[in-house]
Amino acid sequence: DAEITQSPRHKITETGRQVTLACHQTWNHNNMFWYRQDLGHGLRLIHYSYGVQDTNKGEVSDGYSVSRSNTEDLPLTLESAASSQTSVYFCASSPGGAGYNEQFFGPGTRLTVL
Amino acid sequence: QQQVKQSPQSLIVQKGGISIINCAYENTAFDYFPWYQQFPGKGPALLIAIRPDVSEKKEGRFTISFNKSAKQFSLHIMDSQPGDSATYFCAASGSYLARQLTFGSGTQLTVLP
Repeated sequence: DAEITQSPRHKITETGRQVTLACHQTWNHNNMFWYRQDLGHGLRLIHYSYGVQDTNKGEVSDGYSVSRSNTEDLPLTLESAASSQTSVYFCASSPGGAGYNEQFFGPGTRLTVL
Repeated sequence: QQQVKQSPQSLIVQKGGISIINCAYENTAFDYFPWYQQFPGKGPALLIAIRPDVSEKKEGRFTISFNKSAKQFSLHIMDSQPGDSATYFCAASGSYLARQLTFGSGTQLTVLP
């Protein structure tokens, strides 16, 4: 069955380290998104991509980067992890084209920055 | 900044009761309003969605009511069950941002047996 996976599911790192969170989907969706979830803030968009080689900044992109080299993967990199980036991170994907596409979410990665 | 305001932050309902969660938006360009349901340890999943050309949409025990003039929409869960206990997020999108969603802050629903 098609799915969207994230790895690792849990990560503890230290301030200043570079961290990469993986997201892989097998639906062949053009659109992929990264969100962070914090209590009281809901889901906030970090970066998104509408296709290979396309990336865009979301609401809370500072300190994060993404790259899209193929349809299936959108890794999220924290260039220099900060304690404020402790959060649960969700990757999502949706079909391409115009319209009101349902977004399918991965299981999340819980990141702790000490 | 585009915003979607959601209330209440938490809600406790007895089994069989009605759960009501409200959202308000500011951007009049929004024209797609989904609700997502999230269980602990899982990612959110689409529950039900509405477009502003209708004032109400019902799917089983779940109903969205939409008030375009007030820029408000709400989720009603009839005959609430303990299995409905989850976090609910409203969201909004516009046709020019069809693939992006702006989420509310979430409501943690607990249905007591």
